[in-house]
Amino acid sequence: AQSVAQPEDQVNVAEGNPLTVKCTYSVSGNPYLFWYVQYPNRGLQFLLKYITGDNLVKGSYGFEAEFNKSQTSFHLKKPSALVSDSALYFCAVRDYNNNDMRFGAGTRLTVKP
Amino acid sequence: EADIYQTPRYLVIGTGKKITLECSQTMGHDKMYWYQQDPGMELHLIHYSYGVNSTEKGDLSSESTVSRIRTEHFPLTLESARPSHTSQYLCASSPPGRGVLGFGSGTQLSVL
Repeated sequence: AQSVAQPEDQVNVAEGNPLTVKCTYSVSGNPYLFWYVQYPNRGLQFLLKYITGDNLVKGSYGFEAEFNKSQTSFHLKKPSALVSDSALYFCAVRDYNNNDMRFGAGTRLTVKP
Repeated sequence: EADIYQTPRYLVIGTGKKITLECSQTMGHDKMYWYQQDPGMELHLIHYSYGVNSTEKGDLSSESTVSRIRTEHFPLTLESARPSHTSQYLCASSPPGRGVLGFGSGTQLSVL
């Protein structure tokens, strides 16, 4: 079955600095990759996805993610972090054969003024 | 944001009570899911459905049950709630293929 790993429980950055939230995946076929964000006491909001095409995917709120097949990674990035970006971020994967989606353990991003 | 609705938003009940968490979506999605999440922690898939009269258990063993009698409705039931069931329950749905999952706002359940 497919799986994802988010190696960092916590990422801290200063406002205005670039941020990266890491994700690696494991699937048996072509991956379908997603990033979601969760604010306190809320459901998950979709940020961006990679299905096929360009390795650099742009999403909501200025976020982007880079698909790297050789490293089986799909890291989330933003050139300039905002305090309002502080939240819990989840990477998720579906593979070609399975319909259900698997989520990583989540990474808590804290952006300090 | 997906048109998926969960009620109640918060629920505090006593041990042994039977409860049903409601989830509805207005998009006609065949696929629906229930995830369990402790505060600030990872999501665990507990149930999913690919259409009417189709239900499957997920990765995490759960004492809850689900039903899918109508496409738009996917309720989750606990026959006898216990303190170990205290958690947040998130419902999601997705369109055909490998579409994006849309989530409801969740139900925060506390069992005393």
